[in-house]
Amino acid sequence: GQSLEQPSEVTAVEGAIVQINCTYQTSGFYGLSWYQQHDGGAPTFLSYNALDGLEETGRFSSFLSRSDSYGYLLLQELQMKDSASYFCAVRDNTDKLIFGTGTRLQVFP
Amino acid sequence: DAMVIQNPRYQVTQFGKPVTLSCSQTLNHNVMYWYQQKSSQAPKLLFHYYDKDFNNEADTPDNFQSRRPNTSFCFLDIRSPGLGDAAMYLCATSRAPGTGTEQYFGPGTRLTVT
Repeated sequence: GQSLEQPSEVTAVEGAIVQINCTYQTSGFYGLSWYQQHDGGAPTFLSYNALDGLEETGRFSSFLSRSDSYGYLLLQELQMKDSASYFCAVRDNTDKLIFGTGTRLQVFP
Repeated sequence: DAMVIQNPRYQVTQFGKPVTLSCSQTLNHNVMYWYQQKSSQAPKLLFHYYDKDFNNEADTPDNFQSRRPNTSFCFLDIRSPGLGDAAMYLCATSRAPGTGTEQYFGPGTRLTVT
């Protein structure tokens, strides 16, 4: 089967750093993406890793280790507006995204 | 601004009464997707199109059908909605085959079945 596992919930305070982990087991792998979804809103693309290593985009960074089938999303200088659900997703060999279970991030003042 | 548009944003239908959800895009993207998302769950892919080439997920119920009359528009038809079909329905696009990593989502249609 295909699965992507994430912690169900993470909490942090404003200004802190938080890491959301994702481990995957899929039949094909063409990259790991991260999406943010606010309550009642649509998923929004954040980042993508095709190769091992760290990709940085402003306050957000994403890491991939293909040998460990593992990645994470790092959020720095947390703001209240970062409270949302975060999904990792793997693109398989048919160009489809397989989404992870999702992590709900709550940022407190 | 180029975008993915879904109408209506909220749809209420009766048990067993057919309903159609619509999606349009101004991005001129080749690939379009329909997802179903239930509360606190990940989006679940129902179908996707490479241009007009239709691809159905194996576990998508026969009750769900789709049409893509042209590049810009895509429709989701639910022939006989059941209570279990109440969910958010998301339309998404990606630029071309092989670019499915980055998908652009519409705001969704929240379907209620009474």
